[in-house]
Amino acid sequence: KQEVTQIPAALSVPEGENLVLNCSFTDSAIYNLQWFRQDPGKGLTSLLLIQSSQREQTSGRLNASLDKSSGRSTLYIAASQPGDSATYLCAVRSGANSKLTFGKGITLSVRP
Amino acid sequence: DVKVTQSSRYLVKRTGEKVFLECVQDMDHENMFWYRQDPGLGLRLIYFSYDVKMKEKGDIPEGYSVSREKKERFSLILESASTNQTSMYLCASSLQIGQPQHFGDGTRLSIL
Repeated sequence: KQEVTQIPAALSVPEGENLVLNCSFTDSAIYNLQWFRQDPGKGLTSLLLIQSSQREQTSGRLNASLDKSSGRSTLYIAASQPGDSATYLCAVRSGANSKLTFGKGITLSVRP
Repeated sequence: DVKVTQSSRYLVKRTGEKVFLECVQDMDHENMFWYRQDPGLGLRLIYFSYDVKMKEKGDIPEGYSVSREKKERFSLILESASTNQTSMYLCASSLQIGQPQHFGDGTRLSIL
């Protein structure tokens, strides 16, 4: 059974810092991995999706990498801003027809 | 942009009531999903649907049912609401299985 872990549960950084959010999964045979952002009291917004054949995806200041063999993905946020404060979740799909397995998220606070 | 609309942001009901949560998507997506999100437990899949009139159980279907009479609408039904069903409920859709899921803003349901 796939398990997805995100540690730490919370992170506080000063504005302008580059930061890395980690996601680990137990079964390396994945189909794809998706990173989401969730603002308080809101739904999830998809940030990046990495297929199993890819090593990384980029969107603006965000870069997500995937290392299947080690069961890890990282979300890199460059030059963090207070508006980046939110909870970031990663989710793994184990097969083409499989459901998503979510981590519990990392709550990020960027201090002005 | 994909829009997934959940009919209520906040809902308060009493134990034993039959509760309907509605979700509509406007992008002709094949797949729709219902999750609940609880502190410390993360997102858990309740039910999903691959097509009209089709449904599949997720991880925690007990106490819930669903209806998908039209492609754009997916309803979650609490047959007899109980206090342990107090939660944030999130609806999502995707064009096909394996493709990114797009989420609504959620319904915060309180059962008194």
